[in-house]
Amino acid sequence: GNSVTQMEGPVTLSEEAFLTINCTYTATGYPSLFWYVQYPGEGLQLLLKATKADDKGSNKGFEATYRKETTSFHLEKGSVQVSDSAVYFCALSERGNQFYFGTGTSLTVIP
Amino acid sequence: DTAVSQTPKYLVTQMGNDKSIKCEQNLGHDTMYWYKQDSKKFLKIMFSYNNKELIINETVPNRFSPKSPDKAHLNLHINSLELGDSAVYFCASSQAGPMEKLFFGSGTQLSVL
Repeated sequence: GNSVTQMEGPVTLSEEAFLTINCTYTATGYPSLFWYVQYPGEGLQLLLKATKADDKGSNKGFEATYRKETTSFHLEKGSVQVSDSAVYFCALSERGNQFYFGTGTSLTVIP
Repeated sequence: DTAVSQTPKYLVTQMGNDKSIKCEQNLGHDTMYWYKQDSKKFLKIMFSYNNKELIINETVPNRFSPKSPDKAHLNLHINSLELGDSAVYFCASSQAGPMEKLFFGSGTQLSVL
């Protein structure tokens, strides 16, 4: 079956530190992969996505590369800001009508 | 204009009551969903409708009943509310296709006392 595993939080970083949030997946076919972000008191919103192997999704300084050989989609940012504090969810979708989410990783960035 | 809107934003009620949460999307999407997010932020799919037809019905108590009067609306009715139903409920929608993303509403915080 399909599933997503992401590193547990919470993660606390100082401003301008490097961020990595690990995500690995299990899928029966060729899924699309996503990172969603949830700011406090809000719904989830798409951060970036990749639809095939070796694709790199990027947005707002965040990047993730679809690695089929390691079934991974790790999220990275070179220099985090206080405004990046949020909960980050890795997700996959195979046919576009069912999405599988990881458990979420809470990130707090301190000045 | 809000793409996916759900009401109410907060719902506080007593155990045993029946309540409804409404959701509407103006994106023209074919598929709508209900997700439940617990206090640890874990997100669980509850239901999915495609063009008013139920396509995903995860293992949830039958006290939860979704209703889709048209493809732009998916409401969630909950009977005999229990303490464990306290959570944030998110409505979402997407267009069909493997590359399509989910659009989420801002959530309904349900507190059962």
